[in-house]
Amino acid sequence: GESVGLHLPTLSVQEGDNSIINCAYSNSASDYFIWYKQESGKGPQFIIDIRSNMDKRQGQRVTVLLNKTVKHLSLQIAATQPGDSAVYFCAETFQGAQKLVFGQGTRLTINP
Amino acid sequence: DVKVTQSSRYLVKRTGEKVFLECVQDMDHENMFWYRQDPGLGLRLIYFSYDVKMKEKGDIPEGYSVSREKKERFSLILESASTNQTSMYLCASSPTDRVEKLFFGSGTQLSVL
Repeated sequence: GESVGLHLPTLSVQEGDNSIINCAYSNSASDYFIWYKQESGKGPQFIIDIRSNMDKRQGQRVTVLLNKTVKHLSLQIAATQPGDSAVYFCAETFQGAQKLVFGQGTRLTINP
Repeated sequence: DVKVTQSSRYLVKRTGEKVFLECVQDMDHENMFWYRQDPGLGLRLIYFSYDVKMKEKGDIPEGYSVSREKKERFSLILESASTNQTSMYLCASSPTDRVEKLFFGSGTQLSVL
């Protein structure tokens, strides 16, 4: 059976540095990947997405990289700010699916 | 501003009680979802609905049921609450053509004693 209360992976960075949050996925059929940000006391919020026909996509201060060969996804946050403190989730889906599958999440902590 | 509203932020219930968690969205979305969130396990899908009166089991439906009588409202029901259902419950909605872009409520922290 499943257990609860497992330790959440944590990443600590200095304010102003760049952050890289990694995610591994397992379903080779997945062709659409998304990052969500969850601030304390709130529900997750969509940040950025990428389709499998791309290997990089940029947003405002965020970049998502996709490596399909090793089934790896990363979220890069430039010049990390205190407001970036949150839990970040990757999610995957495929065409025709009606649901997302989420990763376990990574807690990003910003040091002043 | 678009909104997904969950009726309670915190709930405390006793083992064996029937529990209703309510969720309302104002975006006219077809899809609605219930997830539970436990540290280190991410978000796990309990049930979802892609239309009124339609429901589909997610990955962990045991011990739960749902109701969708109106498009804007999706209810999660714990028929007989147990301590292992203590968790954060998150409701979300999305339009039919953008299932990946979920809009989440703020969550209900349920404690079953």
